[in-house]
Amino acid sequence: AQSVTQLGSHVSVSEGALVLLRCNYSSSVPPYLFWYVQYPNQGLQLLLKYTSAATLVKGINGFEAEFKKSETSFHLTKPSAHMSDAAEYFCAVRDGGAGNNRKLIWGLGTSLAVNP
Amino acid sequence: NAGVTQTPKFQVLKTGQSMTLQCAQDMNHNSMYWYRQDPGMGLRLIYYSASEGTTDKGEVPNGYNVSRLNKREFSLRLESAAPSQTSVYFCAGRGIAGNEQFFGPGTRLTVL
Repeated sequence: AQSVTQLGSHVSVSEGALVLLRCNYSSSVPPYLFWYVQYPNQGLQLLLKYTSAATLVKGINGFEAEFKKSETSFHLTKPSAHMSDAAEYFCAVRDGGAGNNRKLIWGLGTSLAVNP
Repeated sequence: NAGVTQTPKFQVLKTGQSMTLQCAQDMNHNSMYWYRQDPGMGLRLIYYSASEGTTDKGEVPNGYNVSRLNKREFSLRLESAAPSQTSVYFCAGRGIAGNEQFFGPGTRLTVL
């Protein structure tokens, strides 16, 4: 069965500092992995996705994530935090369902605060 | 394209009242999903519809019903609202070939 663990429910960084949000997964099939961002009072927006191509995935707003099979990790990074990055971040893995029955398994989220 | 839209944006109900949350998409998604989001609990799947004419339970279906009216619309109904159903509800859709889901803006529901 698939599962996702996000380490750290709250992360605080200074503006300009490195952002590192951790995600570990468990999957019985080759994983498809996703990071979503949720700004206050909004829906979730796809940041980036890993679908078995390049292990380093670049997303929107300067974020990237590296798939490491040996560590079952898909950590999200950004070299320099901006105040506008303050949001909730969710990691997700596709479940083993076939075709239209595919669902996403979600982590509990990490709230990122950016301090001036 | 409007993407995934939800109505209403906010709603306050009294215990025992009923209501329907509406979701529509113009992205030609086959699959649609209803989630609830509560502090510290992430996103929990209530119901989903793999394709037009089918619906299945997710992890927290009790107290809810759904209707996939057509390919565009997927509604969520609370027959007798309870305070435990106070939450933010999100609808999402997924295309045929893709794996990612596209989300609506959410409905914030309070049950008194």
